[in-house]
Amino acid sequence: GQNIDQPTEMTATEGAIVQINCTYQTSGFNGLFWYQQHAGEAPTFLSYNVLDGLEEKGRFSSFLSRSKGYSYLLLKELQMKDSASYLCAVRGRASGGSYIPTFGRGTSLIVHP
Amino acid sequence: SQTIHQWPATLVQPVGSPLSLECTVEGTSNPNLYWYRQAAGRGLQLLFYSVGIGQISSEVPQNLSASRPQDRQFILSSKKLLLSDSGFYLCAWSDKRGGTDTQYFGPGTRLTVL
Repeated sequence: GQNIDQPTEMTATEGAIVQINCTYQTSGFNGLFWYQQHAGEAPTFLSYNVLDGLEEKGRFSSFLSRSKGYSYLLLKELQMKDSASYLCAVRGRASGGSYIPTFGRGTSLIVHP
Repeated sequence: SQTIHQWPATLVQPVGSPLSLECTVEGTSNPNLYWYRQAAGRGLQLLFYSVGIGQISSEVPQNLSASRPQDRQFILSSKKLLLSDSGFYLCAWSDKRGGTDTQYFGPGTRLTVL
């Protein structure tokens, strides 16, 4: 099976930097995704990592260490609109043999002025 | 560009009634399709996925079923809804030809079973 852990809630100040961690256990690792989900809306894709290292995309960066089963999402220059839930998803081998993402419960980020 | 549609956006149904939620994708062919449920305060739970027409895999046994009658159409059904079926239902697609197989979500259907 697969297990994904991320903090339930984090708070940060506008303009600051925040790091959201995700640890996972999976069989047949085949990629890690980060999604952003605003309240009442569908998740939107932020980043994808399959090799170790840092992927940077504007204010958002995502890091992966496969040997440690660890990833983080780094948000810089926080804005109020960044208040949302951030979902970590790991793709591993499902019981049927296909590779399917499993989602963590999400980290609710609250950005205050 | 690709777009994904779901309807209805919201639904209130009595316990024991049937359910049919529809999802369609435009701008791509032969996508992987997925149904997820998100209960209040919970993570996304994968219900069904499909790699092609008529091919359905179930991840969680329950009173729901899924069908894929056309390449870009995915339907979630139930014959008799339970209170525990309430939640936010999300359809997603991914391009199996792409290297990342990233999932893109539809706007969702919020289902309340009373």
